[in-house]
Amino acid sequence: RKEVEQDPGPFNVPEGATVAFNCTYSNSASQSFFWYRQDCRKEPKLLMSVYSSGNEDGRFTAQLNRASQYISLLIRDSKLSDSATYLCVVNRDLYNNNDMRFGAGTRLTVKP
Amino acid sequence: DARVTQTPRHKVTEMGQEVTMRCQPILGHNTVFWYRQTMMQGLELLAYFRNRAPLDDSGMPKDRFSAEMPDATLATLKIQPSEPRDSAVYFCASGLQGMGNSPLHFGNGTRLTVT
Repeated sequence: RKEVEQDPGPFNVPEGATVAFNCTYSNSASQSFFWYRQDCRKEPKLLMSVYSSGNEDGRFTAQLNRASQYISLLIRDSKLSDSATYLCVVNRDLYNNNDMRFGAGTRLTVKP
Repeated sequence: DARVTQTPRHKVTEMGQEVTMRCQPILGHNTVFWYRQTMMQGLELLAYFRNRAPLDDSGMPKDRFSAEMPDATLATLKIQPSEPRDSAVYFCASGLQGMGNSPLHFGNGTRLTVT
């Protein structure tokens, strides 16, 4: 079993839809969490960090559930430009960023 | 806007040839990572440096891969000899040690094709 698991998708949704991705992690010692976005043939880019109390950035909302060991990403009013692969990232090290574990990604396609 | 810079963007080479990839981390970042991404394996960590010292290269095939950081502005990943199975996109990323919530910033990658 992989340490960070994501539904690979693809998720195909119409513009304006709300879509949610989940990511589960197996190591309960995990300390920090992120969502990255990767466009086709591009590098991963930070979308948002995930805080314990949950956080929102415009149309994007991230949640963390430590008890169940999962994080989620909710995208509201999806746009064509949201089409990408979304990578869940879990860091096991509180003081360093050298133990980042990447999920395989969830592919999203937003259609007109 | 500070960026991680990687060269070359694309490399096509024949099996057995040496390949060198370069990375300039973001100024002030003290950690540098090399990742490899393929469709089958996703993102795999190959090597990790902190303050230019190699701390973890357990993900790297030692017989043919080597990673160095000759100075704070340059990290290199070398493959000698290259094999077709090395074909992948190689990403360099940098970050700040001591800040566990600090994310990694990726370069735009080197797309390597070994024929």
